[in-house]
Order: sequence, then structure tokens, then C-alpha cells
Amino acid sequence: EAQVTQNPRYLITVTGKKLTVTCSQNMNHEYMSWYRQDPGLGLRQIYYSMNVEVTDKGDVPEGYKVSRKEKRNFPLILESPSPNQTSLYFCASSFRQGQAGANVLTFGAGSRLTVL
Amino acid sequence: SQQGEEDPQALSIQEGENATMNCSYKTSINNLQWYRQNSGRGLVHLILIRSNEREKHSGRLRVTLDTSKKSSSLLITASRAADTASYFCATDVRGGTSYGKLTFGQGTILTVHP
Repeated sequence: EAQVTQNPRYLITVTGKKLTVTCSQNMNHEYMSWYRQDPGLGLRQIYYSMNVEVTDKGDVPEGYKVSRKEKRNFPLILESPSPNQTSLYFCASSFRQGQAGANVLTFGAGSRLTVL
Repeated sequence: SQQGEEDPQALSIQEGENATMNCSYKTSINNLQWYRQNSGRGLVHLILIRSNEREKHSGRLRVTLDTSKKSSSLLITASRAADTASYFCATDVRGGTSYGKLTFGQGTILTVHP
């Protein structure tokens, strides 16, 4: 089944304790991205990746890191989590056909992170 | 502010009625998409309309796009309780250097009462 898999789905942690949220897709998509969803703010993009070893900042990259060493994986790293990073996180991937092609996202199920 | 903004923020209707949600955006787009999210779960792509299209249908969904007004609407006909969800528009910006970036609105929460 074509899917984007995120882990963990739920996590409670404490301020300053490094954590990684993994994301893996099995559709051979070139593009992957991370979003966070907060009440009243909708979905905001954190980072995205156009291909292996190519990443760029989204709208809210502060406090996050990413890497894209393999095409299928795009982990989100919080080096020193803070309470304002408590949120629902989504990983998504897509295949865009050329410059004018559409970019249709397939989302993971989400990771709910609480930082105390 | 957000590239895409939905209106209304919340909509409550009875089963069998039609639901209309609107989306406005600010810059020129390559295409506009609508996604659905069941409570706390991942978004699911519903329909895409390109900038050179004015109307698109998919089952009970009808999407319109007015590029002169920078707005789109999503119509769900003969709604069902199972349509209860949040609906988001997302814009794919024309000519942007940010490949792979969709900008989402804040969503419309639709509640369909049985």
C-alpha cells in the first residue's frame, strides 16, 4: 500500500531533550516536506526537500533540522525542544511532473508532540 | 497572512443539504487543491483545479476557480454525516522557486448532522 509512515504517533517529552520524528514513504516520491498544525494557524511548512541531499526552509524552520540522505526518508529533528513546539506534525510527499506539473501531497497520519 | 484563507471558518448543515466553502488567495497560482482532514488525522487530497480551468467535478464535489478574483469554492452536494471533517484549500504558486511547496489555508470545519 502506498503510504507515508511517521513515528512516533504520540510523544510527550521535556524541554531540551533531543528528539527525532521519522518519516518514510514507499512511493519513490522526490519531494518531501514537514508541516505543523496549530489551532487557528492552519498548516505551516517547516522544511521541504526536493530530492536527496536537497533541502530548504519553509515558513517556520526555527528550532528544527532535517536531513535527506535517502530518497524514502526525511526525518525531522528537534535538537532542543521547547514548549512552543508542542504541535501536531505531518510529513508529506509528492511527485511533481516537470515545471508545470501539479504537486499533489500524500500525508502521513500525524505525530502529536507535547513538550513539557 | 496566509496565501489561502477559507470562509466560513465553520459550517453546520443537515444531511442532504449542500455545503459550500470558499477560499481566497493573494498571488498568482499554478493550481489550487482541496484537501479533507478527519479529526486529528492526516490530510487527504480531494480535487485539483489548474489556473486555466474554471470548474471541475468529482463525484459529489464541484470546484470553481475565478483567477480574476483570486478565489475558489468547493461545493459538496447531498452531504452525508460522513462528510463531517475539516476542508483546506492549498495553493501551488506559479513560478515559485520553492518547488514542492503548497500553502494551506486555515480550513473550514464542516459538521453534517444526521
